[in-house]
Amino acid sequence: QKEVEQDPGPLSVPEGAIVSLNCTYSNSAFQYFMWYRQYSRKGPELLMYTYSSGNKEDGRFTAQVDKSSKYISLFIRDSQPSDSATYLCAFLTGGFKTIFGAGTRLFVKA
Amino acid sequence: EAQVTQNPRYLITVTGKKLTVTCSQNMNHEYMSWYRQDPGLGLRQIYYSMNVEVTDKGDVPEGYKVSRKEKRNFPLILESPSPNQTSLYFCASYKVGGQETQYFGPGTRLLVL
Repeated sequence: QKEVEQDPGPLSVPEGAIVSLNCTYSNSAFQYFMWYRQYSRKGPELLMYTYSSGNKEDGRFTAQVDKSSKYISLFIRDSQPSDSATYLCAFLTGGFKTIFGAGTRLFVKA
Repeated sequence: EAQVTQNPRYLITVTGKKLTVTCSQNMNHEYMSWYRQDPGLGLRQIYYSMNVEVTDKGDVPEGYKVSRKEKRNFPLILESPSPNQTSLYFCASYKVGGQETQYFGPGTRLLVL
């Protein structure tokens, strides 16, 4: 079993839709949970960062963590064509080691 | 402007020819890290450093070396590159205790023939 599972997509949605991106993990030592956005030919940029179960909201983005189920989600409300990118979940152990998911490609159609 | 720079951005080389990819940050961050990105595999951590002279292995350290002699620089060294090291490489940095603000470099695309 992989330490992190993330559906690679691609996921195609119409503009204005609510997008749900998900990752599951198996390592109980993960302490920090992150979502990155990566545009083509660019480095990843950190979107959301949290360390506790529950929801964290930032504008149109909501990160959700369920430690008991080892499941994290990123919701994007009112999706825009500019949200078209690859979204990577990532997990940080207490020792600064980072594990990434394989990424989900998202296309938002105008 | 806060940034992480990498050089070179593109490199074609041959098997066995030693090369160094440089990474530099201007934010006085303690933590720096190297990743490689391959299709279908996401980013995999190669090495990371929590401060000057402190480095540790990530998930895929084989065939790579790093050094951290100055806080701002974290070069990645391939002593004897092989074709399976053909990849897209990213350097990243953040302030310890400030993981919510991370910066990635623009990437270095390496082709080993």
